[in-house]
Amino acid sequence: DAGVIQSPRHEVTEMGQEVTLRCKPISGHNSLFWYRQTMMRGLELLIYFNNNVPIDDSGMPEDRFSAKMPNASFSTLKIQPSEPRDSAVYFCASSPQGLGETQYFGPGTRLLVL
Amino acid sequence: AQSVTQPDIHITVSEGASLELRCNYSYGATPYLFWYVQSPGQGLQLLLKYFSGDTLVQGIKGFEAEFKRSQSSFNLRKPSVHWSDAAEYFCAVAVNTGGFKTIFGAGTRLFVKA
Repeated sequence: DAGVIQSPRHEVTEMGQEVTLRCKPISGHNSLFWYRQTMMRGLELLIYFNNNVPIDDSGMPEDRFSAKMPNASFSTLKIQPSEPRDSAVYFCASSPQGLGETQYFGPGTRLLVL
Repeated sequence: AQSVTQPDIHITVSEGASLELRCNYSYGATPYLFWYVQSPGQGLQLLLKYFSGDTLVQGIKGFEAEFKRSQSSFNLRKPSVHWSDAAEYFCAVAVNTGGFKTIFGAGTRLFVKA
């Protein structure tokens, strides 16, 4: 299995630009999670989906952030417009339902907003 | 509210010495507990997990953890640390909110000195 795939691995953009992060979960996994990791705030859960449906988006910082999961094999996290304080590493993770919810993490996308 | 506390931000041990990383959780129901490790520039990887049964669980890389319900603790241990164990370690608890989501502690960074 290829594991969780994230793209791009690195993104450098200018303030005000739109940023789209992509995630392909492990085939057969029913839950998908988006996290943000920074030195100041640690690992924060932004949103998670169960069977493609958003269950809890209380961690999404503000309206500039949006996430979609159009099908079981693909999810996006979009920031529009981006700001320097959005600079962080964004992780996607997936888990198989009913197996104690062990999460399998992707390698992350390192985002820098100038 | 559910929470996970890792009281040590960082720990330094000598190579070959024993290690214990502390974790306390707050959750009203039976917890699903995890320890993850994150090497620099990488995503998180599961070390071990506890769902039920034997309170001493074995994981990968020679790690073990003991669940103590009376103390709400799930401390991670290793009898002899190797230089390659230097990383950040996260304790986590999975809570059921209509689908499981995982709450992570702030992490403990482990430094290993020769």
